[in-house]
Amino acid sequence: EVQLVESGGGLVQPGGSLRLSCAASGFTFSSYWMSWVRQAPGKGLEWVANIKQDGSEKYYVDSVKGRFTISRDNAKNSLYLQMNSLRAEDTAVYYCAREWVGAAATDYWGQGTLVTVSS
Amino acid sequence: DIQLTQSPSFLSASVGDRVTITCRASQGISSYLAWYQQKPGKAPKLLIYAASTLQSGVPSRFSGSGSGTEFTLTISSLQPEDFATYYCQQLNSYPFTFGGGTKVEIK
Repeated sequence: EVQLVESGGGLVQPGGSLRLSCAASGFTFSSYWMSWVRQAPGKGLEWVANIKQDGSEKYYVDSVKGRFTISRDNAKNSLYLQMNSLRAEDTAVYYCAREWVGAAATDYWGQGTLVTVSS
Repeated sequence: DIQLTQSPSFLSASVGDRVTITCRASQGISSYLAWYQQKPGKAPKLLIYAASTLQSGVPSRFSGSGSGTEFTLTISSLQPEDFATYYCQQLNSYPFTFGGGTKVEIK
């Protein structure tokens, strides 16, 4: 059974940093693109970033470029999101997700971790 | 960036109704479109990929169609468990984007 379990969310002050982690199991992690998707309270979904199987390609939405860094450790079956210079508008539930490139879809999602940026 | 416009944003319907949701892309995306269902407090669930292919385990009352810039999600006979918010997503070009969502509520 595919499982994606996020951790690392919490309350952080504006300008602060946070590192999210996602532990993957039940599939060959190193064979899949992985992504982060966020959802602000009461709002819709926003794709944040993704990373290729070997980490050689990474893509970001403009609003987080230069502030967020996606990375992975295939030996640990883990995905990460380093978030720096956090802003109030980054407040959201952050989902770790598996991208099924062959089908052009995001086929598995974690349960999400809440990041709150507030003073 | 490719914009996805969903309509309607809100829909009130009864059990047994046929429901259609539209997703329009600001430029052509071939068939690189997926549909998701999200219930309150839960992660999204994949329903349809490649515009029209039903994900394994999803009831056959869900169907998708379209290519290029116009896509539809149809629920042939709405069931109580289908009341939720539905999103489309394009995976044709970066950044991948989602539609604004369609909330389906009980009439």
